[in-house]
Amino acid sequence: RKEVEQDPGPFNVPEGATVAFNCTYSNSASQSFFWYRQDCRKEPKLLMSVYSSGNEDGRFTAQLNRASQYISLLIRDSKLSDSATYLCVGEHMRFGAGTRLTVKP
Amino acid sequence: DGGITQSPKYLFRKEGQNVTLSCEQNLNHDAMYWYRQDPGQGLRLIYYSQIVNDFQKGDIAEGYSVSREKKESFPLTVTSAQKNPTAFYLCASSMPNYGYTFGSGTRLTVV
Repeated sequence: RKEVEQDPGPFNVPEGATVAFNCTYSNSASQSFFWYRQDCRKEPKLLMSVYSSGNEDGRFTAQLNRASQYISLLIRDSKLSDSATYLCVGEHMRFGAGTRLTVKP
Repeated sequence: DGGITQSPKYLFRKEGQNVTLSCEQNLNHDAMYWYRQDPGQGLRLIYYSQIVNDFQKGDIAEGYSVSREKKESFPLTVTSAQKNPTAFYLCASSMPNYGYTFGSGTRLTVV
């Protein structure tokens, strides 16, 4: 089993929609998780850290569910500029395969 | 400004040739990583180093080699044993609990 697995996507949503991605992890001892954003042909960039208490930054909210071993990313009021691939990763260096989001006018 | 510098941005390799990708960081991070990304795919871990003079194989180390003689530098050599090296190579560094910082990548193409 892979260390992290993500919703396969793609997600195609209209502007203004709310969209959520999940990422499951296999190592119950994992403590740290992160969400990254990757634009086409660019390097991934850190979007948010994920804490047990949750983390919110503007339109973005990240949650950690230890009981079910998954993390989530919620994007509210989607913008065209949110179109990208979203990657999750834990402290064990293995990234999920990524979920592609396209926000349409 | 602190960051990670990868060079070159584009690299062309002939069949049977070894090539070395450079990765330098001035973030004072202990850990450094190399990932490979194929079109439409996720990142796969090639090698990582958590301290100077030590490194470990990742999930796809065959055909690659690395060294970590200085904290700032973690070069990756793609050897002729790597049969399908065309890909986007990403170097990253990290501090515990602070996530990974990436360089801008090297695109390697076999010609």
